[in-house]
Amino acid sequence: IAGITQAPTSQILAAGRRMTLRCTQDMRHNAMYWYRQDLGLGLRLIHYSNTAGTTGKGEVPDGYSVSRANTDDFPLTLASAVPSQTSVYFCASSEDSSNTGELFFGEGSRLTVL
Amino acid sequence: GQNIDQPTEMTATEGAIVQINCTYQTSGFNGLFWYQQHAGEAPTFLSYNVLDGLEEKGRFSSFLSRSKGYSYLLLKELQMKDSASYLCAALDSNYQLIWGAGTKLIIKP
Repeated sequence: IAGITQAPTSQILAAGRRMTLRCTQDMRHNAMYWYRQDLGLGLRLIHYSNTAGTTGKGEVPDGYSVSRANTDDFPLTLASAVPSQTSVYFCASSEDSSNTGELFFGEGSRLTVL
Repeated sequence: GQNIDQPTEMTATEGAIVQINCTYQTSGFNGLFWYQQHAGEAPTFLSYNVLDGLEEKGRFSSFLSRSKGYSYLLLKELQMKDSASYLCAALDSNYQLIWGAGTKLIIKP
């Protein structure tokens, strides 16, 4: 059972470079999310998608973009990485967008921007 | 503003009981979640409370008091594998999740 797969697991990149974090789910969930997790802070929502073809901004969307061309894939792109984007990124999904159900998380992508 | 408070770190002994508290201040309320996160791993769902009271699930129980803006997670018969961070998250009136910073639980033999 794969659930949610994220890639890469970890990455170091230079400031100013473009980077795409990949996220794929095989549960046919409608809603998908990207969070960042930083030490001492709660998970912060970057972008979300309630269903294929739609996306929305979360709490900290600046510097990030997403797309949802189909149900399974939800990539997160950093157009020009900055050191403050050093973080652990988690992709998550849920059956629907009500947020009253369980969130399923990927294993995370650890990103370091130098 | 919206806020979730939970202790940063707690220590307990193997076989004992520990209670992790969480207080929340949100604009509206539609339920409270607890997740477990082992170091370097993804968070995994533990419980969801929307009504007042205690819900038991094996060694783990979760309590909610909506009038007090308060929840706790109770872990019984602690095992070494329970060493993890426990994340509290409240669902506000817009069905947005507000996350606490997590409580790191250290279990000692």
